[in-house]
Amino acid sequence: AQSVTQPDIHITVSEGASLELRCNYSYGATPYLFWYVQSPGQGLQLLLKYFSGDTLVQGIKGFEAEFKRSQSSFNLRKPSVHWSDAAEYFCAVGAWNNDMRFGAGTRLTVKP
Amino acid sequence: DADVTQTPRNRITKTGKRIMLECSQTKGHDRMYWYRQDPGLGLRLIYYSFDVKDINKGEISDGYSVSRQAQAKFSLSLESAIPNQTALYFCATSDLWGNTGELFFGEGSRLTVL
Repeated sequence: AQSVTQPDIHITVSEGASLELRCNYSYGATPYLFWYVQSPGQGLQLLLKYFSGDTLVQGIKGFEAEFKRSQSSFNLRKPSVHWSDAAEYFCAVGAWNNDMRFGAGTRLTVKP
Repeated sequence: DADVTQTPRNRITKTGKRIMLECSQTKGHDRMYWYRQDPGLGLRLIYYSFDVKDINKGEISDGYSVSRQAQAKFSLSLESAIPNQTALYFCATSDLWGNTGELFFGEGSRLTVL
């Protein structure tokens, strides 16, 4: 089965600074890759997804992610973090006829 | 109204009790899932169903059972709850025939087993 690793449990950045959250996956075929965000006390919301084509995908709230097949990675980035971005972020990998697996999550703290 | 509705939202129960968490959806999706979320472990798949006649075990199905009563309803049962089943449970749906694979989540059901 596919699996996902998010190496960073917790990241703290200053407001206005850039952000990169790491995600590595393991899957035998071309994966469908996702980033979800969970604000405190809320369910998960999709930020962006990759299926095929352009390896740099744009999402909501100014986020983007880049698929690098050679590195089995799908890192999430944002040029300038806002205080409202403080949340937990989950990378996920799935396939059209398979279940979806999530990473353990990265908790983002934003310093004023 | 939410597209994916979970009930109850919060439940406190005692060890050995039977618990059912219910999920209903109005998105018309074929696929439904139950996940549990634990701090530091992310979301782990308990069961999933690709249609009414299809039920599949996920990563951590022991101690749980499910029922897909209709396309729109997918229930998770704990036959005899134990404290380590204390967690936040999420139901999710996705579209079998769509090309997105995106999961749509309910707001979660927080279960505490004493």
